[in-house]
Amino acid sequence: DQQVKQNSPSLSVQEGRISILNCDYTNSMFDYFLWYKKYPAEGPTFLISISSIKDKNEDGRFTVFLNKSAKHLSLHIVPSQPGDSAVYFCAASASSGYSTLTFGKGTMLLVSP
Amino acid sequence: SAVISQKPSRDICQRGTSLTIQCQVDSQVTMMFWYRQQPGQSLTLIATANQGSEATYESGFVIDKFPISRPNLTFSTLTVSNMSPEDSSIYLCSAAPQGGYGYTFGSGTRLTVV
Repeated sequence: DQQVKQNSPSLSVQEGRISILNCDYTNSMFDYFLWYKKYPAEGPTFLISISSIKDKNEDGRFTVFLNKSAKHLSLHIVPSQPGDSAVYFCAASASSGYSTLTFGKGTMLLVSP
Repeated sequence: SAVISQKPSRDICQRGTSLTIQCQVDSQVTMMFWYRQQPGQSLTLIATANQGSEATYESGFVIDKFPISRPNLTFSTLTVSNMSPEDSSIYLCSAAPQGGYGYTFGSGTRLTVV
């Protein structure tokens, strides 16, 4: 039973446009959410996070939106750049402080020039 | 944030043998984690490694198959024992920074068992 779901295995976007990556979760105990980016042959790198007390967090071109009632979060990248092409993982944590992460399967984003 | 050096980056191993993966962190971290990513799947937590105590394993993973060492606050190893082709995966270590979030990952070990 997957507690964190990324239903789109891939997404293609043109450079300059908005990329929207979606993530759904089922565990209502999750209260902290993270996005990671992974290039081939590299480990995931932390991108942005959001606490359940917020509904939006912004960092430069990256914005994460959280809809707790729908148990849904999304990552917006504006404007998209070819260097953003990577696999994006959504992850969730069930408690504050040190806690294990539950990951989705990832969405491969391809940004074409 | 912490930087993790993980090695080997890849290996091809014969079934029945064992492989030890090492992770070195450039700063002291309280908790380290070991994950497995099978093809087309998400990162699955194998175990949590705390310094000075036995690792805590997730359901479906056992110490005899995946023994872990954590001799100090900057280093950990994961051994994949008595390997079979089903163990072919990417193995990743991760460290929790002070404050608990924004975990850092090593670059991964791509293991192929033949």
